[in-house]
This record gives sequence, C-alpha cells and structure tokens, in this order.
Amino acid sequence: EVQLGESGGNLVQPGGSLRLSCAASGFIFSDHYMDWVRQAPGKGLEWVGRIRNKANSYTTEYAASVKGRFTISRDDSKNSLYLQMSSLQTEDTAVYYCARAPRMAVAGIVYYYMDVWGKGTTVTVSS
Amino acid sequence: AIQMTQSPSSLSASVGDRVTITCRASQDIRNDLGWYQQKPGKAPKLLISAASSLQGGVPSRFSGSGSGTDFTLTISSLQPEDFATYYCLQDFNYPLTFGGGTKVDIK
Repeated sequence: EVQLGESGGNLVQPGGSLRLSCAASGFIFSDHYMDWVRQAPGKGLEWVGRIRNKANSYTTEYAASVKGRFTISRDDSKNSLYLQMSSLQTEDTAVYYCARAPRMAVAGIVYYYMDVWGKGTTVTVSS
Repeated sequence: AIQMTQSPSSLSASVGDRVTITCRASQDIRNDLGWYQQKPGKAPKLLISAASSLQGGVPSRFSGSGSGTDFTLTISSLQPEDFATYYCLQDFNYPLTFGGGTKVDIK
C-alpha cells in the first residue's frame, strides 16, 4: 500500500526552528517529486515547496512566504522527505502535509500533481 | 504569483443536485489545473488533473472543463459523500497556487 507519514510537529516559540519528516512506503520513492503543503487552522491549502528527483538534480522550489526560511531535502536511501523550518512565525502555524507528485502524461503533456498525501503533522508557533 | 479565484466560496445543495464550481486564473495557465476534494480532518484527494482528466477510482459524476483562465468542476448528481471542500490548483508555474476553496454543504 502506498503510504506517507509525517512526524516532527510540535509547539515552538516564534523565531525557533523545527524539522519535519515524512516517511514513504509502498512505492519507489526515489522516482518521484515530493511536495509539502500546509493548512492553517480553518483556512485553505497553501503549497509550501517541492523537491525534484535525482534525475532532475534534487532541485527545489518554494512559496514566497517560506523562501529563505524553509529548506526541503530528501534521503532516497531512507525513503524520507524533510522540511527544515527556521525563523518560525505565528503565521506558520498549520497542519503540514507531505505529498507525492508523480510524473503524469496527459495527451502528451507532462504534469506533476500531488496524488498521495500523508495525514499531516501539526506545527504550532506560539509564545 | 498566479492567483486562483474560486467561486462560490460556499454553497448549499441537496442530494441529487447538479453542482458547479468555478476557478479563474489571473493569467493563462493552458489546462494546467487540478481539482481536489477535502473532507474535515482529512488530507486532500486528487479528483481531476490537466483540467479534465478524471483520476482512477473517482466517480464519473465528477467532471472538469476549461482552459486558459476559466475552469469548472461539475458534480452531475450530488451524493452524500460529496459534501466536502473543493480546491483548484494551478501547476502552470511556480509557486503553485491553490484557489481559496468551495465548501459544499447540505441544504
């Protein structure tokens, strides 16, 4: 069964740091792009960032709201995805989801949509 | 960043109703649009990719259409399990952006 499981969420003070992990199973993790998406309490979904696969040099993309503060990495040998968060602000309070973004070809065009999601881990930034 | 504007933000409907949700992009995104369903306390579920391609296992009462800047998600006959919040997502360029969501509840 294809599964993703996040961990590492916690209560942290403003200005602090936290590292989230996402463990993958049931699929060839190294083949896929991986994303982080978050959802603040009672709010909509916000894409946080993406890391590509080895074939695409593990390059990353970030939302403007987290660029320079958050870093996405992966360890394909451990089937794991990470989100290192620093300089945390109260606005970063959210449920953080990891998601798989496989290569999809529709009518000859390639897309990457998040098709498998974890259950999320909660990050609370508060003093 | 491309802004995605969904409407309505909420709607009330009855079982059996036809429901239409729209998503407008702030610039041309070809057909690089997906639709997600999210139920309370759960992770989102991908329904449609590339504006109109139904994901495996998704009931055929769901359909998507549109290209360029205007897109539509239609539920042809609303079922009890369809009461949820729906989001569009553009993957035309980075940063990826979601619409604000449409909550579908019971009339």
